Amino acid sequence: AQKITQTQPGMFVQEKEAVTLDCTYDTSDQSYGLFWYKQPSSGEMIFLIYQGSYDEQNATEGRYSLNFQKARKSANLVISASQLGDSAMYFCAMRPGANSKLTFGKGITLSVRP
Amino acid sequence: DTEVTQTPKHLVMGMTNKKSLKCEQHMGHRAMYWYKQKAKKPPELMFVYSYEKLSINESVPSRFSPECPNSSLLNLHLHALQPEDSALYLCATRKAGRTDTQYFGPGTRLTVL
Repeated sequence: AQKITQTQPGMFVQEKEAVTLDCTYDTSDQSYGLFWYKQPSSGEMIFLIYQGSYDEQNATEGRYSLNFQKARKSANLVISASQLGDSAMYFCAMRPGANSKLTFGKGITLSVRP
Repeated sequence: DTEVTQTPKHLVMGMTNKKSLKCEQHMGHRAMYWYKQKAKKPPELMFVYSYEKLSINESVPSRFSPECPNSSLLNLHLHALQPEDSALYLCATRKAGRTDTQYFGPGTRLTVL
């Protein structure tokens, strides 16, 4: 069985600072994909970044980067230069192997202060 | 090119009503999903369609009836819902490839009175 753990309580960050959102996972699969999604209060789930289990480099997409530590089974999201529009709920998710299902963590609420 | 549209945006219905939610995509993705999401919780998978055929039903009550009329459209027919079915209903499509990323629509906020 797959499991995603996001244990941080609500996070706060000052505008323009960097913030790290934690995610640990558990799977017995060797091949898997890790995803981060952002969900503002409007409700839409916005795909941010993907990391494959065999990818040797950490994924980056603009201000988002994924700190992938395979041995520790962690896939933390780093947001650089936070903006007010980054205030949202963030979900870490995993897709094991060729499975079409995503397993989501319970999410982390991020609030960016001006 | 990752646009998934959902209508209506909001829906209020009584427990005896019949209504439908609609999801549309023109990205050529051949897998489509329905999720239910309660406030402050992660999405819960309901149904998966692959090449217009139902491939996964996560033991969803029969008052929810999915339909995939063609590769661009996904419907969710609602009948005799309960107040606890009030939630955000999200549609997603999956782009086949190295990442198999799921792209979500904006959702329909459903309230059952």
